[in-house]
Amino acid sequence: EAGVTQFPSHSVIEKGQTVTLRCDPISGHDNLYWYRRVMGKEIKFLLHFVKESKQDESGMPNNRFLAERTGGTYSTLKVQPAELEDSGVYFCASSPGPGVIYGYTFGSGTRLTVV
Amino acid sequence: GNSVTQMEGPVTLSEEAFLTINCTYTATGYPSLFWYVQYPGEGLQLLLKATKADDKGSNKGFEATYRKETTSFHLEKGSVQVSDSAVYFCALSIGGSNYKLTFGKGTLLTVNP
Repeated sequence: EAGVTQFPSHSVIEKGQTVTLRCDPISGHDNLYWYRRVMGKEIKFLLHFVKESKQDESGMPNNRFLAERTGGTYSTLKVQPAELEDSGVYFCASSPGPGVIYGYTFGSGTRLTVV
Repeated sequence: GNSVTQMEGPVTLSEEAFLTINCTYTATGYPSLFWYVQYPGEGLQLLLKATKADDKGSNKGFEATYRKETTSFHLEKGSVQVSDSAVYFCALSIGGSNYKLTFGKGTLLTVNP
């Protein structure tokens, strides 16, 4: 079975530009999560989808971040406009049910650099 | 709130050395505890987990015991290999509607031949 796929793997953009990250979860996984690791810090939760619905978006830093999961399949995370502090690695994970029970499968991440 | 504190790295060991990476947690409820590993160029992989007090998670020679009295979940391996070089993350999850993970900062382990 294919794993969780994220692209691009790397993105370098200028401050003020827009970037869209994409995550393709494992087929059939209703739960999809976005996390972010800023350099030297913890991996922080951003939000959680169940199918196409946002179950928890308490970790989204501000309204420059917009996540969508149309049709309950792949998800996108848009940052507009990007700021320097948005640099970091953005991870996506999916699970067929509660992650504690079923386990989370993570993608390899998108490294975003804002210059 | 919930938080995870793990020992700062980087940790550098020689092959066959004993490894301990300390992890302690603060949780508002009864957490499940995890160790994840990220090998170079790859995504995070679950290494082991424990869901209740005194449970021992184990995998690939790594072990960690859920100690409720000390709120700890230290990772150990008796004899590390070069292939164990990676970043190790301690994490917790509280049951309920969210199922989100709370991670520590990660510990970079380098094992030299």
